Parts: sequence; C-alpha cells; structure tokens
Amino acid sequence: DAGVIQSPRHEVTEMGQEVTLRCKPISGHNSLFWYRQTMMRGLELLIYFNNNVPIDDSGMPEDRFSAKMPNASFSTLKIQPSEPRDSAVYFCASSVTGTEQYFGPGTRLTVT
Amino acid sequence: QKEVEQDPGPLSVPEGAIVSLNCTYSNSAFQYFMWYRQYSRKGPELLMYTYSSGNKEDGRFTAQVDKSSKYISLFIRDSQPSDSATYLCAMRTSGTYKYIFGTGTRLKVLA
Repeated sequence: DAGVIQSPRHEVTEMGQEVTLRCKPISGHNSLFWYRQTMMRGLELLIYFNNNVPIDDSGMPEDRFSAKMPNASFSTLKIQPSEPRDSAVYFCASSVTGTEQYFGPGTRLTVT
Repeated sequence: QKEVEQDPGPLSVPEGAIVSLNCTYSNSAFQYFMWYRQYSRKGPELLMYTYSSGNKEDGRFTAQVDKSSKYISLFIRDSQPSDSATYLCAMRTSGTYKYIFGTGTRLKVLA
C-alpha cells in the first residue's frame, strides 16, 4: 500500500514568495496532521483535521500560514509570504484512530 | 521548562548492547505515550505506543511508562547497526490527537 505522499520533496524559494505544500493521506485514514521540524524546536504540530474539518490549529505560527483539506485524499499547507525563519522540514501524517500516526517523507523548505 | 524532555545524545553503543532511551514529562494528564524512530532525512516511523502505565513488548523493543515519576523508557535488546537513528518520544492527553514530541535522542550502534 502507498504511504503518505508529500510534494514537493524539496522547495527553495525567495523571501516573500508564496509556498504551497501538498499531502495525500493513506486511503481510508480520516485524520490528517501537519508538522514542522527544526533543529531548535524539534517536531511541532501545526494543525490537524478530522474528517476534513480543522480541529486544532493552535500550532499555526501566524496568519501567514493556512491549511485546507478540500476532500479526504488531499490537503495543502500554504505560506504567504514566506520568510527565512520558515525554513524547516514539513511533515504530513495520517491516521485512522488518531493514536497511530503515519508520517510522509517530508518537504524540505528553504527560504532565502 | 518544556513539557517533554529528552536527552539529545548522541548515544553510542556497541552492537549487541541493551539500549535505554528515556523521556521525562511534566503534564500528569498525558495518557498516550509513543515512540518513533527517524532515520536521517526520512519521516518518523511509529515503533510502538502504550496507554497509561505499564510495559509493552514488541520483539527487541520494550516500552515502559512510570506515571508516578513522569518517566517513560524504550529499551532495545541486542542492538544492531540498523537501529542507528534518532528516537522520538511523543505523548498526549485523552480527548485530543495533539501529540507533544521530545526533541529526540540520536543513537549510534557501532559494528
């Protein structure tokens, strides 16, 4: 079975540009999570959805970040405008129960 | 003080050794405790989880939770070079799926 799919795998952009990260969860999973990982702060939950509905977005750092889940098989995380401090690895994870979360390979974002 | 504390390592052990990885936490309401393994430039991979207190064993891996001490451990028996990775603990309360992660312990198993 295919795992969680994320695209792009690497993104390099200039400060001020819009960045869109994409995620396809495992088929049949009804919860989706967006995380950010940095050396300084580790792995942090940004937002999670249950049945396509945002449940907790308290980890979204500021209004420049937004996430959508238009259907059960697709989600996006958008940063507009991007800043150098947004440079990190962004992971998407999905789950059936919410307890066992399965992570994608991540998108490595570099903002110059 | 962070809610979840984890020694960053690196922890270097010889092949075949028993490895002990630990996390401490401050929130007594945590009920679900997870261990993830993350290889370099890969996503975290779920190893095992426990609910509330007690032990859980899966092959060479044993997870322990001591809620009275707010301390969890992951033991790896007969460690192998392929176990070299960063190990992340994560935990949450009931009623939310929001996990709080430790910063990870980097493990090196030397052949």
